[in-house]
Parts: sequence; C-alpha cells; structure tokens
Amino acid sequence: KQEVTQIPAALSVPEGENLVLNCSFTDSAIYNLQWFRQDPGKGLTSLLLIQSSQREQTSGRLNASLDKSSGRSTLYIAASQPGDSATYLCAVRHLTDGQNFVFGPGTRLSVLP
Amino acid sequence: DTAVSQTPKYLVTQMGNDKSIKCEQNLGHDTMYWYKQDSKKFLKIMFSYNNKELIINETVPNRFSPKSPDKAHLNLHINSLELGDSAVYFCASSRSGIYNEQFFGPGTRLTVL
Repeated sequence: KQEVTQIPAALSVPEGENLVLNCSFTDSAIYNLQWFRQDPGKGLTSLLLIQSSQREQTSGRLNASLDKSSGRSTLYIAASQPGDSATYLCAVRHLTDGQNFVFGPGTRLSVLP
Repeated sequence: DTAVSQTPKYLVTQMGNDKSIKCEQNLGHDTMYWYKQDSKKFLKIMFSYNNKELIINETVPNRFSPKSPDKAHLNLHINSLELGDSAVYFCASSRSGIYNEQFFGPGTRLTVL
C-alpha cells in the first residue's frame, strides 16, 4: 500500500530565503507526482505535475524534482515571499491504483516578512 | 470563470439527516473525484468517476453515494449523517488518463451536530 510522507511538518523562514520541501513515497511504481498548495480554508491549487519519466519541472520560482527509484521528490522555492505561506501537499498516482492520488500530510510553510 | 465549484461552502446539520453537496466543473474534463479532508488535514480519495466507471474507495461507507447527472457534475449524497462525517469535502476533476493533473474545488465544510 502506497504511503506518502512529508518532512518537515512545519517550516518557518524569513522572507528571501530559498527553501526545500520534501516528499517521500514507499512504492516507486508511480505514474506521476503532483505538488499543490492549500491556503487556510481554501481548496488546493495545482503547482506542478511531474511525470515518472521526468526528473524535474519548473514554474517560475518553483522547481520540483523527482527521484523515482529512491521514492523522493523535492519542491524548491526560490526567494521566498510572505505570499508563499500555505500548506504544501504532494500526491502520487501509483500503478496499482492508477485512477487516484495518494496524498501526503503536507508541510505548513510560514514566510516571515 | 471558476473551474471547479462546489455548493454549499458550509453545511451544518443534525445527526441522522440526509444531505447533498454539489460539484460542477467547466473545464471539459471527463473524470471527477470526491475527497475527504479530516480534522488532521489528511486528504483521502472517496470516489473517482468518469462516464464509464465508478471507483469506490473500499473504506467509504455505503451511506455515501456519488451521482452524476452529466459529465460536468458529480454530486455527493450522504444518508444518515454521523458525527464522524464532519470534515471538509473536496471535489476535483481531470481529463481521463493517468497522466493528467487534477484541479480542485474550494471545498465544503460539513459539520454534523
């Protein structure tokens, strides 16, 4: 059964810092992995989708990498801003349950001005 | 121009009642999903549905049933509500196929008293 973990559970950084969020999954047989952000009381906003054949995806200040064999993905946020404060969730779609994503518990990020 | 919308945003009801949450997407997607986010913020898939197939997470009680009047809508009906049903319910959609990203609605916070 696929399990997804995210470390750290919470992170607080000063504005302007570069930071890395981690996502680990137990079953490396995945189709893809998607990063989301969730603002308090709001839905999920898709950030990046990275296919199993890809090593990384970039969007603006965000860069997601994927090492399928080791079961890990990282989300790199450059030059963090207070507006980046949110909970970041990763989700994997794995081969044995191809329709559905399995979500991690999230990392709550606070960027202090 | 909301992509995935849900109504109501908040729902407060008594134990034993029957209620519905509506979901609509205007993205032209043909697969829709319902997720439950519990008090610990874990997001878990409940259903995924396209016009051919309903996939049910085996842990979902049969008091929950999705109903799709057309490809743009997937409503969630809940019978005999229980205290443990209190959570935030998210609808999502995607193009069919395992390589496509999911887009989420804003969520419905259900409180059962």
